[in-house]
Amino acid sequence: SQKIEQNSEALNIQEGKTATLTCNYTNYSPAYLQWYRQDPGRGPVFLLLIRENEKEKRKERLKVTFDTTLKQSLFHITASQPADSATYLCDTGVFKAAGNKLTFGGGTRVLVKP
Amino acid sequence: DTAVSQTPKYLVTQMGNDKSIKCEQNLGHDTMYWYKQDSKKFLKIMFSYNNKELIINETVPNRFSPKSPDKAHLNLHINSLELGDSAVYFCASAGTNYGYTFGSGTRLTVV
Repeated sequence: SQKIEQNSEALNIQEGKTATLTCNYTNYSPAYLQWYRQDPGRGPVFLLLIRENEKEKRKERLKVTFDTTLKQSLFHITASQPADSATYLCDTGVFKAAGNKLTFGGGTRVLVKP
Repeated sequence: DTAVSQTPKYLVTQMGNDKSIKCEQNLGHDTMYWYKQDSKKFLKIMFSYNNKELIINETVPNRFSPKSPDKAHLNLHINSLELGDSAVYFCASAGTNYGYTFGSGTRLTVV
C-alpha cells in the first residue's frame, strides 16, 4: 500500500523567509498530490493539487512541485508570515470509478516567528 | 453557512457504550468520507459513500457502521466502544473538482 512520509520535526522559520516542506511517497506513482493546511482543533483545509503530468503549481505565495522520478513533492511558502504557522499535510490520490481514495502523510508543523 | 458540519464536537463516553456521530454537507457533493486522525496526527480513511452507496470500506472493525440516508448526510455509529477508539474523527466531502472539504472534527474520548 502507499506510504507517505513527511518530516515529523517542526520547521521553525523566520518571517519573510521561504519555508520548504517535503513529501515522499513509496510504491506506486499517484495520479495527483494534494496539500492541506490544518490548524489546531480544526479540519484540514485544501490548498493545492498537482497532477502527475505537472511539474509545478502556484497559488499566491504557495508553490508545489511534483517529481515522479524522485517520488517527491516539495511545498514552498514564500515570504512566510506568522499566520502561515500550522501543520501542512500531503496526500496522494488515485482515480477510481467513483470516489478518490487519499493516503495522507503525518504532516509537518510550521512555526513562523516574527 | 457551514459547508461540512459534524456533531458533536466532543464526545466522552465509557468503554462498552454505543455512540453516533453525525455529518451533513450543504455543498451538493456526491461523495462523503469518514477519516480517523490518531494521536500521531495520521489521517486514515475509514469509509466513503457516493450517492448513498458504500464505495470504500477500509479495514475497520465491524463495530463501526456508517449510514448514509441521503447524499448530504453520512453518519457513523460505533458499537461497544474501546479505549483504542479514542481519536478525532473527520467527515469530508468531495465533488467533481478535487480537494476535500473537511468538517471540524469530533474528538472522541473513551474512558
